Amino acid sequence: DAGITQSPRHKVTETGTPVTLRCHQTENHRYMYWYRQDPGHGLRLIHYSYGVKDTDKGEVSDGYSVSRSKTEDFLLTLESATSSQTSVYFCAISEVASYEQYFGPGTRLTVT
Amino acid sequence: ILNVEQSPQSLHVQEGDSTNFTCSFPSSNFYALHWYRWETAKSPEALFVMTLNGDEKKKGRISATLNTKEGYSYLYIKGSQPEDSATYLCASPRSGGGADGLTFGKGTHLIIQP
Repeated sequence: DAGITQSPRHKVTETGTPVTLRCHQTENHRYMYWYRQDPGHGLRLIHYSYGVKDTDKGEVSDGYSVSRSKTEDFLLTLESATSSQTSVYFCAISEVASYEQYFGPGTRLTVT
Repeated sequence: ILNVEQSPQSLHVQEGDSTNFTCSFPSSNFYALHWYRWETAKSPEALFVMTLNGDEKKKGRISATLNTKEGYSYLYIKGSQPEDSATYLCASPRSGGGADGLTFGKGTHLIIQP
């Protein structure tokens, strides 16, 4: 299994609070991605990174920001959580852009 | 936004039967087509990445074909077993190369009945 961890694995937070999710990899892969999974929508890309300090928006980036200061860590921040951001968040990595992606175990976030 | 469609949405199959399902994607500017297997309470796992028209890939009892000219891929499972129960996702790179991530279909939820 690819070495990807996500923390926390579960979180309950209140509307309006900031939340940061962490993705950590030990594979030294260049590409990292944040997806969210919601019933009826499948997996949707939030943000991605193609190198240290190189990030860009995905399909559903509103309300989210990311940072990547080291190869191994990709942080997803909800500046002010809303109930619509209740979801399961998956991090994925890829060694080469065209290769398969390896997914982390997911973080279940509930915003009350 | 790239449109990746999967059908059927769900499928019940008797153990031992073979089955197949479809992924359709835009045929213009094709670069690659990914298949993933997603078991309940786990994370998606890559099955295949397909790039060539007419390509066929196989992993055990699971195989996939690709038609880039008409924009579809089939996933086949031969002699279904209970452990094949999962959601099968297909995905296409958002742009050539895939550096900017994948667009996923909503998946085919496969249930194998003993």
